Amino acid sequence: GENVEQHPSTLSVQEGDSAVIKCTYSDSASNYFPWYKQELGKGPQLIIDIRSNVGEKKDQRIAVTLNKTAKHFSLHITETQPEDSAVYFCAASSGGGADGLTFGKGTHLIIQP
Amino acid sequence: EAQVTQNPRYLITVTGKKLTVTCSQNMNHEYMSWYRQDPGLGLRQIYYSMNVEVTDKGDVPEGYKVSRKEKRNFPLILESPSPNQTSLYFCASSFRRGRQETQYFGPGTRLLVL
Repeated sequence: GENVEQHPSTLSVQEGDSAVIKCTYSDSASNYFPWYKQELGKGPQLIIDIRSNVGEKKDQRIAVTLNKTAKHFSLHITETQPEDSAVYFCAASSGGGADGLTFGKGTHLIIQP
Repeated sequence: EAQVTQNPRYLITVTGKKLTVTCSQNMNHEYMSWYRQDPGLGLRQIYYSMNVEVTDKGDVPEGYKVSRKEKRNFPLILESPSPNQTSLYFCASSFRRGRQETQYFGPGTRLLVL
């Protein structure tokens, strides 16, 4: 089955700096890669996703890149703000959607004031 | 308000006592899933459903059952809970428009099995 590795497990950055979280996947058939943000005491919230027919997608301060050859994808957050502090999860699926999502173990992002 | 609701939010039970965690969504989504979240292991999918009466196993289905008799409800059943099922459980629903999809998670149910 699919295996998703996520790094780092904890990331501390100064407010205003950029943050990058990286994930690798094992199943070359995977074609859907969402990213979720989980705040304390809440369920994960989808923040951006990318499908295997594109290499990059942006939404304001958030961007995701995908390298199918290397089987890795990354989340980039620019101009970080205190409200970006949360746990971020990457995931991969070969079903084109939410059936059979495999998650990374999460990255705790800390924004230092 | 569009949302996924779960009940109960917190539950303490004893080994072997059957329990059901309910999940309901008001967005008319076709897809629904159950996950468990454990420290150091992240989110793992238990079961998912692609529509009414259509369910399939996720990564960790042992010890769980689900049913999808109505589109809006997707209960998670633990017939004989054991302590290793102590966890934080999330229900999620989603829909697809072409190749675009958004998955919505419920607030979570924290279960302790003694």
